[in-house]
Amino acid sequence: DADVTQTPRNRITKTGKRIMLECSQTKGHDRMYWYRQDPGLGLQLIYYSFDVKDINKGEISDGYSVSRQAQAKFSLSLESAIPNQTALYFCATSETGDFANTGELFFGEGSRLTVL
Amino acid sequence: GNSVTQMEGPVTLSEEAFLTINCTYTATGYPSLFWYVQYPGEGLQLLLKATKADDKGSNKGFEATYRKETTSFHLEKGSVQVSDSAVYFCALWLMDSSYKLIFGSGTRLLVRP
Repeated sequence: DADVTQTPRNRITKTGKRIMLECSQTKGHDRMYWYRQDPGLGLQLIYYSFDVKDINKGEISDGYSVSRQAQAKFSLSLESAIPNQTALYFCATSETGDFANTGELFFGEGSRLTVL
Repeated sequence: GNSVTQMEGPVTLSEEAFLTINCTYTATGYPSLFWYVQYPGEGLQLLLKATKADDKGSNKGFEATYRKETTSFHLEKGSVQVSDSAVYFCALWLMDSSYKLIFGSGTRLLVRP
């Protein structure tokens, strides 16, 4: 089983619908992240959480919300989906500490969302 | 601002060819640099990293050297295989933003038999 699991893997929805993407991890990491990937744009950070009570906006948080239900679970919600939110969404985790020492984000396999 | 620029793809090579994927960065401090790889249908995974100038990161036959004078971190491999076909992302991290990796736009590599 994958260490970082995302559900659903694929979802097609309509404009205005509420959508939740779920992420769970078995790595025991405190830090969790949601990224969005668009072709030619790389990855953009939506939200990140350093622990259950610490949630922070990333660079493109408008139109999104998150919930950290437990250390192992971090959900991303689109309250009212719109077509330009069509993208591939990734959850990731990392160890506590700076990337110079840990050097690594651990990614899920992605959730492809299409908003019609 | 801080940013990463990668060469546009796709890069198409024959098996056993030499690979270079260019990456340059702009940063206000002294970043750590990374290459991540995304195989088809999978999430990204760390390929290699370098934390200071002149460091060379290496893994699976890939190498990249942190060049402060040219602000570059080009990815190279001497002989690519079909299994190397993937999207490669260059990224940087700065100590003043401990939560955040800044990614380039990615370069798709296609290796043909």
